[in-house]
Amino acid sequence: KNEVEQSPQNLTAQEGEFITINCSYSVGISALHWLQQHPGGGIVSLFMLSSGKKKHGRLIATINIQEKHSSLHITASHPRDSAVYICAVSPNTGNQFYFGTGTSLTVIP
Amino acid sequence: DVKVTQSSRYLVKRTGEKVFLECVQDMDHENMFWYRQDPGLGLRLIYFSYDVKMKEKGDIPEGYSVSREKKERFSLILESASTNQTSMYLCASSFNSYGYTFGSGTRLTVV
Repeated sequence: KNEVEQSPQNLTAQEGEFITINCSYSVGISALHWLQQHPGGGIVSLFMLSSGKKKHGRLIATINIQEKHSSLHITASHPRDSAVYICAVSPNTGNQFYFGTGTSLTVIP
Repeated sequence: DVKVTQSSRYLVKRTGEKVFLECVQDMDHENMFWYRQDPGLGLRLIYFSYDVKMKEKGDIPEGYSVSREKKERFSLILESASTNQTSMYLCASSFNSYGYTFGSGTRLTVV
């Protein structure tokens, strides 16, 4: 049973395209996180949100708590955006995260 | 900046060897975690710890053990490495449930 589902699993885009990655979850949460993992392993946190929308540069994250759904958008995509994007949720109880399996994004010049 | 440091980026070990993966954090975080990451399966929790000398099994603890003798250090031990333990291992620490900081990962190959 997966508490967090992401789609698509793999995504290839041309440079400049608008990209959307979706995340649905099934548990009550205190926060949702979008993480980025570049080839080579290290994971960095992009956003933490519990309502509404956040923007950082060309990245936008939205969340709908009632629908238990979040989206990560990348505007004007660039080859350096190529990475695995992981959705994770902090449930209302406990200190653990639940992770999606990730979306592998490749942006072609 | 919070730092979570994993001692090795790449490691190659032989089947049957005892393997230690070390993780150190410098922000006095209570919680530390070990995950393995495999293609198509995402991040799976092996063990976690909420305090010194305290440990809890995660989703896939078989074949692993952990040690937390000091607050800043959380070690993952493969008692007898097997080829199905070839994976990327990620350590993380957190102060509460709101934010994790991850290490840069150790890619372990067991031959």
